[in-house]
Amino acid sequence: GAGVSQTPSNKVTEKGKYVELRCDPISGHTALYWYRQSLGQGPEFLIYFQGTGAADDSGLPNDRFFAVRPEGSVSTLKIQRTERGDSAVYLCASSLMAGGYNEQFFGPGTRLTVL
Amino acid sequence: ILNVEQSPQSLHVQEGDSTNFTCSFPSSNFYALHWYRWETAKSPEALFVMTLNGDEKKKGRISATLNTKEGYSYLYIKGSQPEDSATYLCASYEFSGSARQLTFGSGTQLTVLP
Repeated sequence: GAGVSQTPSNKVTEKGKYVELRCDPISGHTALYWYRQSLGQGPEFLIYFQGTGAADDSGLPNDRFFAVRPEGSVSTLKIQRTERGDSAVYLCASSLMAGGYNEQFFGPGTRLTVL
Repeated sequence: ILNVEQSPQSLHVQEGDSTNFTCSFPSSNFYALHWYRWETAKSPEALFVMTLNGDEKKKGRISATLNTKEGYSYLYIKGSQPEDSATYLCASYEFSGSARQLTFGSGTQLTVLP
């Protein structure tokens, strides 16, 4: 079956602009996660959804970052007033259920470059 | 916030060599340890999810062990092949308060030379 997909694969924007990154999880997966990976680092947790609700958003760096999952499937990560420090690969993952026992299935990521 | 460490940061081995890497994590509030392989231009792919102290898992030439009391896991690759070249990430899942998240290490970048 289809894996996790993310669009766009690459996004170049200017400082101060607004961007939206989309994630399509595996059908039937109730948990969805967003991570950010900077060069030389491992993925850093941002937020996770159980169904439609954000169960843990403690990783969002500030209020310029926001994510939604209105119907419990597709999710959008929204970044307002982008800064050069936001440049990174944004990864989305989904799992059948939330919880540490469940492996996460990752998408290919969106590479965001803020000029 | 967990501190998950991986070593070495990178290594190069010859085809046919066996190799291993280390992942260390805080043992308090431990719940699960994940290993992922991330090949260039692909998505990270789960290798193992481990939960019990002393657990050993194997997938083909790759195996992993877990010591939750001292807070470390080893990943072993037997007879490395060029297609094993990738970044290997470990991540610890903590069960504490409202936190339900994976904390990743920085990865070990493996290059297998033909």
